[in-house]
Amino acid sequence: AQSVTQPDIHITVSEGASLELRCNYSYGATPYLFWYVQSPGQGLQLLLKYFSGDTLVQGIKGFEAEFKRSQSSFNLRKPSVHWSDAAEYFCAVGTPLVRGGSTLGRLYFGRGTQLTVWP
Amino acid sequence: DADVTQTPRNRITKTGKRIMLECSQTKGHDRMYWYRQDPGLGLRLIYYSFDVKDINKGEISDGYSVSRQAQAKFSLSLESAIPNQTALYFCATSARGPGETQYFGPGTRLLVL
Repeated sequence: AQSVTQPDIHITVSEGASLELRCNYSYGATPYLFWYVQSPGQGLQLLLKYFSGDTLVQGIKGFEAEFKRSQSSFNLRKPSVHWSDAAEYFCAVGTPLVRGGSTLGRLYFGRGTQLTVWP
Repeated sequence: DADVTQTPRNRITKTGKRIMLECSQTKGHDRMYWYRQDPGLGLRLIYYSFDVKDINKGEISDGYSVSRQAQAKFSLSLESAIPNQTALYFCATSARGPGETQYFGPGTRLLVL
């Protein structure tokens, strides 16, 4: 069965420091991978996604993520964190409706990583 | 105006009451979803609909029902609310196609007393 693991429940970094949020997935084929961010009181906003091609994906707000098939990982990174990045981050895996197909069926979400940024 | 709207944004109800949460979208998407978010559990899928006549159960559909009244509207009902249904509920939409993105509404915070 598909699953997504975000090992870190809560991460605290200083403003200006680099950031890496971890995500591991379990799926028998190449999945579609997403990172969403949820600011307090808000819905989820897509940061970036991967479904083919270059394994290093650039997203909004200066975030990037790298798909590593050998490690079943899709870690999110940012070189310099801003106080406004404080939020909860969710990794998600999308699976095709038909095995080997390209039309997404549904998303499976990790439990989230809460990011706190110290001034 | 927001592309995906949810009403109400907050609701307090009592055990045993029937309530309905509504979702509307102006994105023209075929697919709509209802998720539930609980602290430390991430988002879990309740129901999803690929078009008006195609509705599917997600991983936690017990105690919930849905209605897809039109392409743009997808309602979630709790027939007899219970306290462990207290949660934040999100509606999402997506288009068809490879790697399509799901777009989320602002959420409905539900408290069942």
